[in-house]
Amino acid sequence: EVQLSESGGGLVQPGGSLRLSCAASGFDFSAFAMSWVRQAPGKGLEWVSVLNGAGGSTYYADSVKGRFTISRDNSKNTLYLHMGSLRAEDTAMYFCAKQFAVVTPFLSWGQGTLVTVSS
Amino acid sequence: DIQMTQSPSSLSASVGDTLTITCRASQTISNFLNWYQLKPGKAPKLLIYSASSLQSGVPSRFSGSGSGTDFTLTISSLQPEDFATYFCQQSHSIPLTFGPGTKVDIK
Repeated sequence: EVQLSESGGGLVQPGGSLRLSCAASGFDFSAFAMSWVRQAPGKGLEWVSVLNGAGGSTYYADSVKGRFTISRDNSKNTLYLHMGSLRAEDTAMYFCAKQFAVVTPFLSWGQGTLVTVSS
Repeated sequence: DIQMTQSPSSLSASVGDTLTITCRASQTISNFLNWYQLKPGKAPKLLIYSASSLQSGVPSRFSGSGSGTDFTLTISSLQPEDFATYFCQQSHSIPLTFGPGTKVDIK
């Protein structure tokens, strides 16, 4: 059974940093692309970033480009999102999601981890 | 960027109803259109991919159609567990974009 479990969320001040993790199990992690998708309170879903299986190809939404970095450790079956220069508008539930490739549907999702940016 | 719109933004329905949600892309996306179900506190769930293909394990009362720019999600014989928010999403090009969602609640 595919399982994705996010962690690392919490309260952080504007301008601060945070690292999210997504632990994966139940599938060949290195064979799949992985994305981060977020949902701000009362808002819709927003794709944040994607990384291919080998880790060499990354893409970002304009809203986070230059501030967030996606990475993965295939030996640990773990996806990361390094978030810097955080803003109030980054407050959201962050989900990790599994994909066959970079531009394909989100096959499976975790339950999310909440990031709150506030002073 | 490809903009996605959905209608209606919300609707009230009863168990047993058949409902249709529409999604429109700002440019042609062939059949690179997917539908998801989102419930509070739960992981989002892929229902339909490539506009009309039912994801494994999803009940057959869910169906999708369309191509190009106009798409629909139909839920036949609505069940209590179907009350949720539904999002369309294009997987034609980066950035991957979602529609604003359609909230389905109990009448």
